[in-house]
Formats: sequence, structure tokens, C-alpha cells
Amino acid sequence: AQKITQTQPGMFVQEKEAVTLDCTYDTSDQSYGLFWYKQPSSGEMIFLIYQGSYDEQNATEGRYSLNFQKARKSANLVISASQLGDSAMYFCAMRRVGGSARQLTFGSGTQLTVLP
Amino acid sequence: DGGITQSPKYLFRKEGQNVTLSCEQNLNHDAMYWYRQDPGQGLRLIYYSQIVNDFQKGDIAEGYSVSREKKESFPLTVTSAQKNPTAFYLCASTGTSGYDEQYFGPGTRLTVT
Repeated sequence: AQKITQTQPGMFVQEKEAVTLDCTYDTSDQSYGLFWYKQPSSGEMIFLIYQGSYDEQNATEGRYSLNFQKARKSANLVISASQLGDSAMYFCAMRRVGGSARQLTFGSGTQLTVLP
Repeated sequence: DGGITQSPKYLFRKEGQNVTLSCEQNLNHDAMYWYRQDPGQGLRLIYYSQIVNDFQKGDIAEGYSVSREKKESFPLTVTSAQKNPTAFYLCASTGTSGYDEQYFGPGTRLTVT
């Protein structure tokens, strides 16, 4: 079974500063993928970034980067230069890589508020 | 534009009534999923389907049913057996290339009174 833990129910950050959202995971799979999604108040889920368990480099997508520490089973999301539009719920998720099952297991989320 | 549509955005029903939530995608994706989200919580998998005419139960399938007669459509029925149906329901689909990230619809907020 897979499990995702997000221990920060809420976070605040000043506009233009960087913020790290924590995610730890547990799995017995050797090959897996880690995802981060953003959910604004409107409700839609927006894919942000992906990290494969065998990727040696940390993933980056614009202002988003994923701090992947495999030995610690952590996959923290770093948002640089925060903007007011970054205020949203952020979810960490994972799935097994390989095989036919591609469903995601989600964490409970972190509500990020960017302050002007 | 390719994407996933869910209708309606808000749905109100009386207790004891079955209700069907629609999910349509034009992304040509094989796999589709239904999730439930309660306030302040993460998403929990209800049902998923890898191909037409086949589907599997997720973690919280009790009180729900689905069908997959067409590749594009994956409707979810919330039955009267679901004890606490009021929630936000999200439909998603997955392609077979790249990261296989899931694409989500805008969601349906169901309120049962």
C-alpha cells in the first residue's frame, strides 16, 4: 500500500519569497512517480510537477522545483518568488510506475496563503 | 480544445434519491477515474476504469456505481446506499505517454439534504 503524508495543514508566505511544502511518502514499490497538484478555490486540480523514483536530478518547472530525497522518502515542493495567485491548496500524490494500475494516492493537502 | 467536462457544477438532491454525475473526455485517454473530496481533505478514489466495459473499485466504492460503455464517458451514480454523499466529486483521465499525469475535470459539488 502507498501512503502520502503532508504535515502542514496551512502555510503563509510573503509575496516574492520562497516557500517549501513538505511531503513524505511510504511505499514498498521500487519504481514510482511523485506528483504535485494545485487546487485553487474554484476546485479544479492543476498538475504542477513530476518526479520519477529513478530520476537522478530534481525536477523543475518554472518557479516550481521538487526537492527529492529518496532515502528520507520525501518529495518537498519549493515555490520560488511567490505570487498572490499561488494561494491555493497543494496536494502531493504518488503512483506505482509500471503495470496497468495508474491510480494516484493523495495526501491531505497544504493550504498556502500568499500575503501581499 | 481537449479536456474533461463534468456537469453540472452544482447538484442538489433529496436523501434517498439516486443521482448520476457525468464525466466526458475528448483526450482519447483509456483510463478514467472518480475521486471524492471532503472539505479540507485529500482525494479518495471511488472507481477507475482502464478500458471500455471494464472498471474496478477504489478505496471507497460502497454506495457508488459506474459504467464505461464508451471510451469518452464514465458516469458515476451515487446511490441511496451511500451514507454521506455530500461532497465534491472529481473525474480524471490518464494518457499513456509522458508522466501519465492525471487530467482533471472541473468537479461537481453534490449536496444531499
